[in-house]
Amino acid sequence: GDSVTQMEGPVTLSEEAFLTINCTYTATGYPSLFWYVQYPGEGLQLLLKATKADDKGSNKGFEATYRKETTSFHLEKGSVQVSDSAVYFCALSDQETSGSRLTFGEGTQLTVNP
Amino acid sequence: NAGVTQTPKFQVLKTGQSMTLQCAQDMNHNSMYWYRQDPGMGLRLIYYSASEGTTDKGEVPNGYNVSRLNKREFSLRLESAAPSQTSVYFCASKRREGLVYNEQFFGPGTRLTVL
Repeated sequence: GDSVTQMEGPVTLSEEAFLTINCTYTATGYPSLFWYVQYPGEGLQLLLKATKADDKGSNKGFEATYRKETTSFHLEKGSVQVSDSAVYFCALSDQETSGSRLTFGEGTQLTVNP
Repeated sequence: NAGVTQTPKFQVLKTGQSMTLQCAQDMNHNSMYWYRQDPGMGLRLIYYSASEGTTDKGEVPNGYNVSRLNKREFSLRLESAAPSQTSVYFCASKRREGLVYNEQFFGPGTRLTVL
């Protein structure tokens, strides 16, 4: 079945550091890929998405590129801020196997120190 | 718009007790979902309702029942709570199941502890 694997956390960075959170996936069809963010005490919010190979999703300085050849969708940000501290979830939706329902990775906790 | 609301925010149950988690959305969405979030396991789908009047099992449905009361409301019931059901429960909604690029909107969650 479909699955999503994220890099293990937690990740701790200093403000203005470069961020990469790795995400790889397994899917039988042609999935769409998402990054969701969960701030402390809140529900998940969509951060960015990409619906086909080579698409780049971007929002709030975060970017991720859909790489079909490496089945990856790594999240990057050039300069993190304290306010970026949150849990980040990579997810996929495979129309062929599960309609538009989401399969999530385990989440990566990011802490940014001033 | 309030978006997706959930009640209660926190709940403590004893093993064997029952309870219902409530979820409502005011975005006129057709599809609604219940997830549980456990450390190191991400979110797992319990049940979903693609449209009013339909419900389907997700990845981890055992021990739960759901009711799509109307287009706005989707409740999750634990008939006989077990410690393994200690988790954070999230409700989500989406304009329509089958539209991959549509965003799911999440509620703030219910933190449930079963002793």
